[in-house]
Amino acid sequence: EVQLVESGGGLVQPGGSLRLSCAASGFTFNSYSMNWVRQAPGKGLEWISYISRSSSSIYYADSVKGRFTISRDNAKNSLYLQMDSLRDEDTAVYYCARDNPWSGIVWGQGTLVTVSS
Amino acid sequence: SYELTQPPSVSVSPGQAASIPCSGDKLGNKYACWYQQKPGQSPVLVIYQNTKRPSGIPERFSGSNSGNTATLTISGTQAMDEADYYCQAWDSNIVVFGGGTKLTVL
Repeated sequence: EVQLVESGGGLVQPGGSLRLSCAASGFTFNSYSMNWVRQAPGKGLEWISYISRSSSSIYYADSVKGRFTISRDNAKNSLYLQMDSLRDEDTAVYYCARDNPWSGIVWGQGTLVTVSS
Repeated sequence: SYELTQPPSVSVSPGQAASIPCSGDKLGNKYACWYQQKPGQSPVLVIYQNTKRPSGIPERFSGSNSGNTATLTISGTQAMDEADYYCQAWDSNIVVFGGGTKLTVL
């Protein structure tokens, strides 16, 4: 069974940092590109970052570019999101997402990040 | 950047068919997916590759995609289908979501 388990969320002050992790299992991790998607309270889904299978291609949404860094460790079947200079508007549930145009997106359960003083 | 547009809300009576459109430039040339999300839960894939249903998704869920519009249709809508629905496509490897449609069954 494919599983994605996020961790690392919590309460952080504006300007602070957090590192999210996603542990993948049930599939060959290094065969899939991965993404982070977030959902602010009461809002829709927002794609924020993509990383290719070998980390050779990385993309960010304009809303997080220069502040967030995506990475992966294929040996550990893990995906990461380093979030710096956090703002109130970064408050959201963050989902780890495995995507494939032929099979759609597989989602984790999400981890809540709250940015507040 | 590529955009997908959905109506904010759709209402349907129980037992009737509900259609949720998703529009985007030449969307018919891309694969479209649909996700159902209920409050407090992660999204669930209900349609992929425009028309295919994952195992476990009821047959009343179907999809189409042509021209500039993809459509999710729920035939014989049930109260349990009340949820937010998001369309999604890829634009040069980047995941793009529609704004979401709240389906109300009343």
